[in-house]
Amino acid sequence: NAGVTQTPKFQVLKTGQSMTLQCAQDMNHNSMYWYRQDPGMGLRLIYYSASEGTTDKGEVPNGYNVSRLNKREFSLRLESAAPSQTSVYFCASSEEPGTVINQPQHFGDGTRLSIL
Amino acid sequence: AQKVTQAQTEISVVEKEDVTLDCVYETRDTTYYLFWYKQPPSGELVFLIRRNSFDEQNEISGRYSWNFQKSTSSFNFTITASQVVDSAVYFCALSEVYNTDKLIFGTGTRLQVFP
Repeated sequence: NAGVTQTPKFQVLKTGQSMTLQCAQDMNHNSMYWYRQDPGMGLRLIYYSASEGTTDKGEVPNGYNVSRLNKREFSLRLESAAPSQTSVYFCASSEEPGTVINQPQHFGDGTRLSIL
Repeated sequence: AQKVTQAQTEISVVEKEDVTLDCVYETRDTTYYLFWYKQPPSGELVFLIRRNSFDEQNEISGRYSWNFQKSTSSFNFTITASQVVDSAVYFCALSEVYNTDKLIFGTGTRLQVFP
């Protein structure tokens, strides 16, 4: 039972490079999320997708784009990476598909991204 | 505005001690959800509990227990007879019913349990 799978696990980029973080879940969840975790700041929501075909901004969306490719996959793209985007990125999906209130409960293992 | 405060940055205990992790939250809503997550040294986030604002009954799960008090806006987490495997960073989080896709996390408490 894979749960939420993120790739890659580690990545080093140079300033200005672009890359896409991939996330897939096999739990038939409707909602998926991207968070970033920075030292001393907990996790902050970047973008989320309440259902296939919809995406919305979270608390810190600047510098990122997302794509909900299908129900399973939700990708996060950095178009022009900046050192301030050095962080650990977590993808999550909610546990109660089809209900009014969806809460992220299942997280991937994270992607450690360093921007030089 | 919503806010979650975990004032304890780091706690160190010796194995078998009981330890309580504090969580204080702020919200204007009367309906909301509270969560605890565990992040072990391996880095993944493990969901521990979700509690809605209408359910103030304390919950116990093995060595873990949670005390929810709306009067003090607190949702504290106690580990009884701590073990080395409990060493992790623990996050408290809040979401409001009408902003259900957004979790507000506290800054976490790092718990170190020494043998």
